[in-house]
Amino acid sequence: NAGVTQTPKFQVLKTGQSMTLQCAQDMNHEYMSWYRQDPGMGLRLIHYSVGAGITDQGEVPNGYNVSRSTTEDFPLRLLSAAPSQTSVYFCASRRGSYNSPLHFGNGTRLTVT
Amino acid sequence: AQTVTQSQPEMSVQEAETVTLSCTYDTSENNYYLFWYKQPPSRQMILVIRQEAYKQQNATENRFSVNFQKAAKSFSLKISDSQLGDTAMYFCAFMALKTSYDKVIFGPGTSLSVIP
Repeated sequence: NAGVTQTPKFQVLKTGQSMTLQCAQDMNHEYMSWYRQDPGMGLRLIHYSVGAGITDQGEVPNGYNVSRSTTEDFPLRLLSAAPSQTSVYFCASRRGSYNSPLHFGNGTRLTVT
Repeated sequence: AQTVTQSQPEMSVQEAETVTLSCTYDTSENNYYLFWYKQPPSRQMILVIRQEAYKQQNATENRFSVNFQKAAKSFSLKISDSQLGDTAMYFCAFMALKTSYDKVIFGPGTSLSVIP
């Protein structure tokens, strides 16, 4: 059972480049989300989705786009990378029930130079 | 808006001793879940324990237990018989229960080192 799969594990970008962080889950979870983790700030919510075709902004959405065309996939796009987007990114999913905890991918460490 | 505070950025404990990590939160909601997640150096996020706000009994999972004080909005994690493998970042998290898709809000984390 793969759970939540994130790719790549590491990425280095130059300022202004674009890229997509991939996230896939095989648990048929309705809810998927992206967080970024920065020292001293915990995990902050970027975007989330409650089902295919439905997305919404979290706490820190600027500079990021998402879409959800299938239940399984929830990619995160950086259209024009900035050094402030250097961070560790986590994808997480859960069932749409009250007692369902988040299941996390293993994270992507992104460096923007 | 809900907020989660962890006032201890770093802590250390001797192996086999007991340590308590603090967490406070601010919310106007009455029904919610609280969680503790562990992040070892591997970067993986692991659910340690969770507590439903309507349950008065404190949750326990083996060596991990919580002290949930709803009126004080406090949710501390006690680790007994600390082991080297407990060395990790620990995050407290909050989820309101207004809908089944409510967001999970995390605190800034506490870095715990277990000393041999």
